[in-house]
Amino acid sequence: AQTVTQSQPEMSVQEAETVTLSCTYDTSESDYYLFWYKQPPSRQMILVIRQEAYKQQNATENRFSVNFQKAAKSFSLKISDSQLGDAAMYFCAYRRKTEETSGSRLTFGEGTQLTVNP
Amino acid sequence: GAGVSQSPSNKVTEKGKDVELRCDPISGHTALYWYRQSLGQGLEFLIYFQGNSAPDKSGLPSDRFSAERTGGSVSTLTIQRTQQEDSAVYLCASSFMGDQPQHFGDGTRLSIL
Repeated sequence: AQTVTQSQPEMSVQEAETVTLSCTYDTSESDYYLFWYKQPPSRQMILVIRQEAYKQQNATENRFSVNFQKAAKSFSLKISDSQLGDAAMYFCAYRRKTEETSGSRLTFGEGTQLTVNP
Repeated sequence: GAGVSQSPSNKVTEKGKDVELRCDPISGHTALYWYRQSLGQGLEFLIYFQGNSAPDKSGLPSDRFSAERTGGSVSTLTIQRTQQEDSAVYLCASSFMGDQPQHFGDGTRLSIL
């Protein structure tokens, strides 16, 4: 079974600074997806960034980027120029790759609560 | 609608009562998922529907939990004889076909007294 581990229950960062959130996972699959989701107090899970395991290039989305180390099974999220609106719970998630018409569950880590200080 | 819609937003009920939670996925999305988020925890998979295929019920914690999806669209999660440990936020997600990113609703916060 796949597992996802986030070892940092809480992190804090100063506004405009950079912060990195850690995530490790365990799987025997060779092709899969990794995600970072953001959950503000509104409860809605918002997709931040997605990485396909067979792509060596790290995904980026504006101020958000990942450091994907497949051999080490590590998938960290870097937030640059942190803003007050980035404050939220961040979840790392894994999903195995399936046929286009099929789907599979997301396996989530325990989450990291990010505080952004003004 | 534009996003995944869940109702009610909050539900408080007495132990032993049955509850129904509703999810209306994004129009055109064929895959629908239910997850449970207990206080301070990550999300736990419950059940998955894909088109007309038999649902994947492997995450349902007990036979008190069931779900159906009518007409390939709206889904209802039913919890019978609720227990205090059922208190959690229940999140629904949908995706266009199976292998696309999942979009989540705002969840239903269920509190069992």
